[in-house]
Amino acid sequence: DQQVKQNSPSLSVQEGRISILNCDYTNSMFDYFLWYKKYPAEGPTFLISISSIKDKNEDGRFTVFLNKSAKHLSLHIVPSQPGDSAVYFCAASVLSGANNLFFGTGTRLTVIP
Amino acid sequence: EAGVAQSPRYKIIEKRQSVAFWCNPISGHATLYWYQQILGQGPKLLIQFQNNGVVDDSQLPKDRFSAERLKGVDSTLKIQPAKLEDSAVYLCASSRPGQGTDTQYFGPGTRLTVL
Repeated sequence: DQQVKQNSPSLSVQEGRISILNCDYTNSMFDYFLWYKKYPAEGPTFLISISSIKDKNEDGRFTVFLNKSAKHLSLHIVPSQPGDSAVYFCAASVLSGANNLFFGTGTRLTVIP
Repeated sequence: EAGVAQSPRYKIIEKRQSVAFWCNPISGHATLYWYQQILGQGPKLLIQFQNNGVVDDSQLPKDRFSAERLKGVDSTLKIQPAKLEDSAVYLCASSRPGQGTDTQYFGPGTRLTVL
């Protein structure tokens, strides 16, 4: 049972435009959400996170939006750069729990120069 | 600050053989995780240590997988005997609890191929 889902396996965007990556979850106990970025032959790198008490968190070109009622979050990258090309994983956890992360299947973003 | 170190980076074995992976977490990180990432899927937690104690190993196939973190620092993950479906990237991650976040820092992983 996949508790975190990323339904788009891939996304292509022109350089300078906005990239929007989506993620849905089913477990209402999740209260902390993260995005990781992964380059080939490397481990995932933490990108940005959001607590369930917020609906938006921004860090430079990266913004994560959380819609708790829809159990949906999204990552916006503006403007997109070729170096952003990577696989992006959405992850969720229960802060009061054992800190286990549940990952989605990832979305491969390609930013076209 | 040095990142999470893992070795080997790649391993090819035949089914029914045994294999071991090593992880050295970021200095000062008390919590250590082993994940399995099968091609096309997200990482899946196998086991979590807090210092040298096991916090969660509910997803670890204990008939063939074992892990230890004897001194609360380095950790090893062993598979014996390996099956074809164990082919995956094995990721180690660490975090420093008590900071109010769940940020885990990952190593580069070990890619295991079972023939």
